[in-house]
Amino acid sequence: EAGVVQSPRYKIIEKKQPVAFWCNPISGHNTLYWYRQNLGQGPELLIRYENEEAVDDSQLPKDRFSAERLKGVDSTLKIQPAELGDSAVYLCASSTRTGADYGYTFGSGTRLTVV
Amino acid sequence: DAKTTQPPSMDCAEGRAANLPCNHSTISGNEYVYWYRQIHSQGPQYIIHGLKNNETNEMASLIITEDRKSSTLILPHATLRDTAVYYCIVRVINFGNEKLTFGTGTRLTIIP
Repeated sequence: EAGVVQSPRYKIIEKKQPVAFWCNPISGHNTLYWYRQNLGQGPELLIRYENEEAVDDSQLPKDRFSAERLKGVDSTLKIQPAELGDSAVYLCASSTRTGADYGYTFGSGTRLTVV
Repeated sequence: DAKTTQPPSMDCAEGRAANLPCNHSTISGNEYVYWYRQIHSQGPQYIIHGLKNNETNEMASLIITEDRKSSTLILPHATLRDTAVYYCIVRVINFGNEKLTFGTGTRLTIIP
């Protein structure tokens, strides 16, 4: 079974430029998360989707960040314009609602460097 | 979700048992203890979780104290591949509030 797939793996952009990250969750996982991880810190939730609906976006900086999950499968996270402080690893995770909660599955992340 | 406290770093000799402690003194009765680990340049990986009974799987054992205020993750025979940051998380399994809140974890180094 393929895991959570993210692309690109690395991205370097100049400040004020736009950038987008893509995530393909595990087939059948209706819950999708985007996390941001700063250097030396644990991941922090940005947004959670249940199917195509964003049910928790309280930590998403909406002035420059946006996300979508068309058809409740793949998801895209966008930053426009990027700032130096956006340099971080952006992680996507997915899970399924079952009675036995074996946890989330994370992708390998996209490492963003803003210069 | 309750806050957890972990030592920032630990070393363990290869082949020995690695015991990683976690304090969660404010845990509620319906909160589970989860452990994840993150190997360099990878996303976090689920290890194990439990409510109040000790749990064991192919990766590790989880020992939760009777008062549930602390727990220990045990890697029985540590290998170099177990070098990673280990996160202890407590949360309610609530399908209306699904999220993990990570702390800074314990950086475990396995020494040859």
